[in-house]
Amino acid sequence: AQSVTQPDIHITVSEGASLELRCNYSYGATPYLFWYVQSPGQGLQLLLKYFSGDTLVQGIKGFEAEFKRSQSSFNLRKPSVHWSDAAEYFCAVGPSSGSARQLTFGSGTQLTVLP
Amino acid sequence: DTGVSQDPRHKITKRGQNVTFRCDPISEHNRLYWYRQTLGQGPEFLTYFQNEAQLEKSRLLSDRFSAERPKGSFSTLEIQRTEQGDSAMYLCASSPIPGQGVSGANVLTFGAGSRLTVL
Repeated sequence: AQSVTQPDIHITVSEGASLELRCNYSYGATPYLFWYVQSPGQGLQLLLKYFSGDTLVQGIKGFEAEFKRSQSSFNLRKPSVHWSDAAEYFCAVGPSSGSARQLTFGSGTQLTVLP
Repeated sequence: DTGVSQDPRHKITKRGQNVTFRCDPISEHNRLYWYRQTLGQGPEFLTYFQNEAQLEKSRLLSDRFSAERPKGSFSTLEIQRTEQGDSAMYLCASSPIPGQGVSGANVLTFGAGSRLTVL
């Protein structure tokens, strides 16, 4: 069965500092990988996705993520955090074949940004 | 298109009552999903539709839960005889069918959710 682990429940960084959110997945084949962000009381917004090709993917709001097959990881990074980045971040994994029909989400990492 | 709309945004009900949530997906999306999200957790899959057909249901979807998408457009999720454990955020999402371009495969657009509180 596929699974996603986000080891950090809560991360606090200062505004302007760099950020890395960890995501490890378990999947039997080549996965589709996603990062979503959720602001309080809101639905999830897609930040970026990886399907194939270049293992470093760029997303919206200055975020990027790197797929490392050998480590089963898909960590999210941002070089300089803004106060508006405070939110909850979810990593998700899904099938690449399109035959399954749902994503599996991690339990999320809550990001706090200090002024 | 204004994205995925959900109604109501908040619902407070007493245990034992029935509640219904509505989701209006992006009009050109064939697939519609329902997820449940509890505090401190990621979304958990409940069920999904392709057009009007309900193709898959999670074991989380007990007999008290029913979802419909009668004309392949909007969908409703009804919970009968609500229990306190049903308190959660119910998220709807839609997507195009994989194969309609790789960029659309399994990429979900979420609504803002319907938060249910059962007293």
